[in-house]
Amino acid sequence: DQQVKQNSPSLSVQEGRISILNCDYTNSMFDYFLWYKKYPAEGPTFLISISSIKDKNEDGRFTVFLNKSAKHLSLHIVPSQPGDSAVYFCANQGAQKLVFGQGTRLTINP
Amino acid sequence: NAGVTQTPKFRVLKTGQSMTLLCAQDMNHEYMYWYRQDPGMGLRLIHYSVGEGTTAKGEVPDGYNVSRLKKQNFLLGLESAAPSQTSVYFCASAPVSIRQFFGPGTRLTVL
Repeated sequence: DQQVKQNSPSLSVQEGRISILNCDYTNSMFDYFLWYKKYPAEGPTFLISISSIKDKNEDGRFTVFLNKSAKHLSLHIVPSQPGDSAVYFCANQGAQKLVFGQGTRLTINP
Repeated sequence: NAGVTQTPKFRVLKTGQSMTLLCAQDMNHEYMYWYRQDPGMGLRLIHYSVGEGTTAKGEVPDGYNVSRLKKQNFLLGLESAAPSQTSVYFCASAPVSIRQFFGPGTRLTVL
């Protein structure tokens, strides 16, 4: 059964510091992963993705790392800003669909 | 270009009542999805469609039905609402299954 797990329901980080959000997966059908960001009362929006041909992908302040041997990926946000406060979902590509983790609520403190 | 829209935004039902949630997209996407989001449970797939006239079950399909009569619309029906169906419902569409675009959500309360 394809599963994605985000074991930290919440994370609090000081503004300007690094935020690290983690995600573990099992029985991946395809080695392609995405991170979505969700603000309250809005739908999730795509943030960044990574495929198995890479172990790192950067987009501005956001970097995603993929460790295939450990079946683990992480999202780094540097430096963290107040507008980064949101719920972050990790997702893995499945057959014609995405499998999402439970989400991590990130709070950036001034 | 409105993207993905959902109707209604809020709804309160009594147990046993029925209702239909409408999702519309103007991006000519083939794939459409219905999710529910509950605290601590993430986004769970209810049903999805890979093209006009097709539907398939997701992770939590029980108590829901769907129809995709037109490419741009994906309807989610609750025939007999139960309190366990109190949730926030999100619709998404995608040109291929990977990059999904989400609507703003429908908050449903079943009393």
